[in-house]
Amino acid sequence: NAGVTQTPKFQVLKTGQSMTLQCAQDMNHEYMSWYRQDPGMGLRLIHYSVGAGITDQGEVPNGYNVSRSTTEDFPLRLLSAAPSQTSVYFCASSYLGGGGTNEQFFGPGTRLTVL
Amino acid sequence: AQKVTQAQTEISVVEKEDVTLDCVYETRDTTYYLFWYKQPPSGELVFLIRRNSFDEQNEISGRYSWNFQKSTSSFNFTITASQVVDSAVYFCALTPRGSGNTGKLIFGQGTTLQVKP
Repeated sequence: NAGVTQTPKFQVLKTGQSMTLQCAQDMNHEYMSWYRQDPGMGLRLIHYSVGAGITDQGEVPNGYNVSRSTTEDFPLRLLSAAPSQTSVYFCASSYLGGGGTNEQFFGPGTRLTVL
Repeated sequence: AQKVTQAQTEISVVEKEDVTLDCVYETRDTTYYLFWYKQPPSGELVFLIRRNSFDEQNEISGRYSWNFQKSTSSFNFTITASQVVDSAVYFCALTPRGSGNTGKLIFGQGTTLQVKP
């Protein structure tokens, strides 16, 4: 199993550009989520999904869109990048049994810089 | 409010010292889960432990131990005889059961541990 994979590992964008961060998992997990990590702030939830076709907002959703057309994939779209979106982005997945309290498996992260 | 506080931003110890990382949480829910994750310099997040709110037994895994006290809303992590390889950022996190089966993780700010040889 590859676990949770993310592409790209690094990305530099100019303000106003759009891009999609890819996330895939091969563990058949129902739950997938995106977090951003900023210095001194831990990780904050952007969007999450409890299954194909179902998504919802987390703590910091503004400026980001997601969709979940398959169980395996959960891409994160930046519609018009801003310098405030410079961050490290992590995708995570887990089983939903147990009230959604299972261990989440994290991808290796994408380091995004917006100039 | 649902919140996790790791008051120690950075800790520096010398190898073989014991070190405790503090974690204090807030939640209205009576059922919740607490986690610790490790983020080594390579950047990935490594799961260390999950503990539910009904299990207050302390847990030991090798040099790692966790002390869960509901009375003080704390879930502290101790590394015994620290090693250079323990140098990392450690995150405490909370999933309230009442978050509607969504599995949201609420993270603390993280504690950077530096173990010097």
